[in-house]
Amino acid sequence: NAGVTQTPKFRILKIGQSMTLQCTQDMNHNYMYWYRQDPGMGLKLIYYSVGAGITDKGEVPNGYNVSRSTTEDFPLRLELAAPSQTSVYFCASSYSTDAGSFYEQYFGPGTRLTVT
Amino acid sequence: GENVEQHPSTLSVQEGDSAVIKCTYSDSASNYFPWYKQELGKRPQLIIDIRSNVGEKKDQRIAVTLNKTAKHFSLHITETQPEDSAVYFCAASIGAGGTSYGKLTFGQGTILTVHP
Repeated sequence: NAGVTQTPKFRILKIGQSMTLQCTQDMNHNYMYWYRQDPGMGLKLIYYSVGAGITDKGEVPNGYNVSRSTTEDFPLRLELAAPSQTSVYFCASSYSTDAGSFYEQYFGPGTRLTVT
Repeated sequence: GENVEQHPSTLSVQEGDSAVIKCTYSDSASNYFPWYKQELGKRPQLIIDIRSNVGEKKDQRIAVTLNKTAKHFSLHITETQPEDSAVYFCAASIGAGGTSYGKLTFGQGTILTVHP
């Protein structure tokens, strides 16, 4: 298993440009998450998904969009990039059941994005 | 929503000493508390977690304690080694049941440096 993979590893964007950060997991996890990590800070949840076709906002969703058409993929779209979106973006996945179970979130290697 | 405070922000110890990192949370419904270790430029990785029905959990040199009444939990690392140097994050979650969907709220992180 490759686990959670993300592309690209690094990207520099100009203000106003758009891009999609890719995230794929091969563990058949139903839950997937996108976090951003600003320098010296903890991770903040941007969006999450509990299954194909179901997504919802996290703590800091403004400026981002997501979709989940398959169990494996959960891309994050940045529209009209702004310097405030300079950050490291982590995708994560976990397996959960409706019974309130708790399972580890596995993180991808991250995408380091700079907007200038 | 949930708020997690983590202290200290930096911690410097000598090899062989113990290290303690503390977190407090605000939502009494939180019942899952993982700790992640993040080395420089790497992804966060789970090192230990605790559920609210347990007061303490140990795994070799690492232990976590939970005080539900006071709403705080702590990470204890004994016999520290230079390879323990990293950023440590605590997190809290209501788990996968209901509408919480396993979302994690992270603390701000603690930079642990272990001097040989």
